[in-house]
Amino acid sequence: DQQVKQNSPSLSVQEGRISILNCDYTNSMFDYFLWYKKYPAEGPTFLISISSIKDKNEDGRFTVFLNKSAKHLSLHIVPSQPGDSAVYFCAASASGTYKYIFGTGTRLKVLA
Amino acid sequence: DAGITQSPRHKVTETGTPVTLRCHQTENHRYMYWYRQDPGHGLRLIHYSYGVKDTDKGEVSDGYSVSRSKTEDFLLTLESATSSQTSVYFCAIGWASGSSYEQYFGPGTRLTVT
Repeated sequence: DQQVKQNSPSLSVQEGRISILNCDYTNSMFDYFLWYKKYPAEGPTFLISISSIKDKNEDGRFTVFLNKSAKHLSLHIVPSQPGDSAVYFCAASASGTYKYIFGTGTRLKVLA
Repeated sequence: DAGITQSPRHKVTETGTPVTLRCHQTENHRYMYWYRQDPGHGLRLIHYSYGVKDTDKGEVSDGYSVSRSKTEDFLLTLESATSSQTSVYFCAIGWASGSSYEQYFGPGTRLTVT
């Protein structure tokens, strides 16, 4: 049973436009969420996080939104750049567990 | 650079042979993890450790064992490798930072079981 779901395996966006990557979770105990970016042949790199006490966190071109009632989070990238082309994973954790459950990833392709 | 190295980076082995993958950190963090990445499955937790000699199972622990005799090293062992264990294996380290909890990954080990 997949507790963290990324239902879009892939997404293509024009350079300069907004990329929106979605993530849904089922476990109401999850209260901390991370987004990672992964290039081929490299380990995932941390992008941005959000705690359940917030509904938005922003870092430069990256913004994560959390809708707790819908158990949904999204990552917005504005403006998208060709270097953003990668696989993006969302991950969720419950306080005190110190482990994350990952989604299956969304492959983003930014077209020049 | 989160100070995580994995060795080997690539390995080809035959079915039935034992294999040990090593994760080494220079950060002295308490939590360490082993994940595998497979197409369509994302990153799945195999085992994790919350201190020296303290380990626990993750989502896909069957066929794997781990050991942590020192803070800096976390070993993943496949006692008898099978073709279904062909995958890319990632180690990660984690730490609590205030109200948040962060996790950083190593570069990965590509394992092929023939």
